[in-house]
Amino acid sequence: RKEVEQDPGPFNVPEGATVAFNCTYSNSASQSFFWYRQDCRKEPKLLMSVYSSGNEDGRFTAQLNRASQYISLLIRDSKLSDSATYLCVGSRGGATNKLIFGTGTLLAVQP
Amino acid sequence: DVKVTQSSRYLVKRTGEKVFLECVQDMDHENMFWYRQDPGLGLRLIYFSYDVKMKEKGDIPEGYSVSREKKERFSLILESASTNQTSMYLCASSFGVNQPQHFGDGTRLSIL
Repeated sequence: RKEVEQDPGPFNVPEGATVAFNCTYSNSASQSFFWYRQDCRKEPKLLMSVYSSGNEDGRFTAQLNRASQYISLLIRDSKLSDSATYLCVGSRGGATNKLIFGTGTLLAVQP
Repeated sequence: DVKVTQSSRYLVKRTGEKVFLECVQDMDHENMFWYRQDPGLGLRLIYFSYDVKMKEKGDIPEGYSVSREKKERFSLILESASTNQTSMYLCASSFGVNQPQHFGDGTRLSIL
């Protein structure tokens, strides 16, 4: 089982739609969670951290469910510019607690 | 804003060559990382460093080595390049090992 697992998609949605991605993680000792965005042939960029209580940044909402070991990202009112690959990130736990990146979910927002 | 700079965007080398990829960060971050990214496999950690002259193997260190002589600079070395090392290489840095990582633009390396 992968340490961090995501549906690769693609998710094809119309502009203005609400879309949600889930991501599961296998290590219950994971302490840190993030969502990154990666445009085609570019580097990953931090979209937002994920906090236990859930957090929102504009049209983006991230949530963490420790009991079921998944995190989610909700995008409201999708824009064409939201088209990208979204990487879910957890941590390995333990002394070094390195970050573990999922393989990404591709979102294509259609006009 | 954090700036992570990788020395080359595109690089073409031959099998058997020794290849150096350089990375510099300007935020005085303790931790630096080298990843490779391949389609369907995502980001895989090659090596990381949590202090000057300190290094630790990641998940796929075979065929690679690293050097960190100064805090701001982390170098990845392909000792004897092989075609299966053709990939996108990404350098990152962070304040703490479980803190968000900031990435450079990446180096697309082709080994012929």
